Amino acid sequence: EAQVTQNPRYLITVTGKKLTVTCSQNMNHEYMSWYRQDPGLGLRQIYYSMNVEVTDKGDVPEGYKVSRKEKRNFPLILESPSPNQTSLYFCASSLQAGLGDEQFFGPGTRLTVL
Amino acid sequence: DQQVKQNSPSLSVQEGRISILNCDYTNSMFDYFLWYKKYPAEGPTFLISISSIKDKNEDGRFTVFLNKSAKHLSLHIVPSQPGDSAVYFCAASISGTYKYIFGTGTRLKVLA
Repeated sequence: EAQVTQNPRYLITVTGKKLTVTCSQNMNHEYMSWYRQDPGLGLRQIYYSMNVEVTDKGDVPEGYKVSRKEKRNFPLILESPSPNQTSLYFCASSLQAGLGDEQFFGPGTRLTVL
Repeated sequence: DQQVKQNSPSLSVQEGRISILNCDYTNSMFDYFLWYKKYPAEGPTFLISISSIKDKNEDGRFTVFLNKSAKHLSLHIVPSQPGDSAVYFCAASISGTYKYIFGTGTRLKVLA
């Protein structure tokens, strides 16, 4: 089944404790991206990757890191989480990007930073 | 600065009637627009898109209209069904870039 998977689905952590949210897609998509969803703010793009080893900042990259060492995986790293990073996170992928391609989203990861 | 705006946080419509969801944008460089639907506890799913060379795109019960001069797009759902109850996001991008700007979403409730 074609899908984007994220792990964990739920995470409660404390300020400053490094964490990684994994994202994997099995559709051989070139493009992957991370978003956060917050009430009243919609979805905001954190980072995206056009291809392996190529990443760039979205609108809200502060406090996050990403890497794209393999085509299928795009982990989101919070080196020192803070309470303002409490949010619902979505990973997405598309066959390519730059021409408004539809994105396939994962089920989301709800993160709480205490 | 919100480049893509959905000014109606919520909308209620009777089953069988038309649902119209609106989206305004400020950046005239946007040339691709997409609508996504999101159910609780799930990720958004793609619904329909339109490029700026068109002013209308249809897919079954869903039609998107683009008014470039007004920097406005709308999603029409006809007829509305209870299963359409969800949050709808519009998104915009500029060809050749890799960024997507989403609106804040409109929660649609279709009443049986």
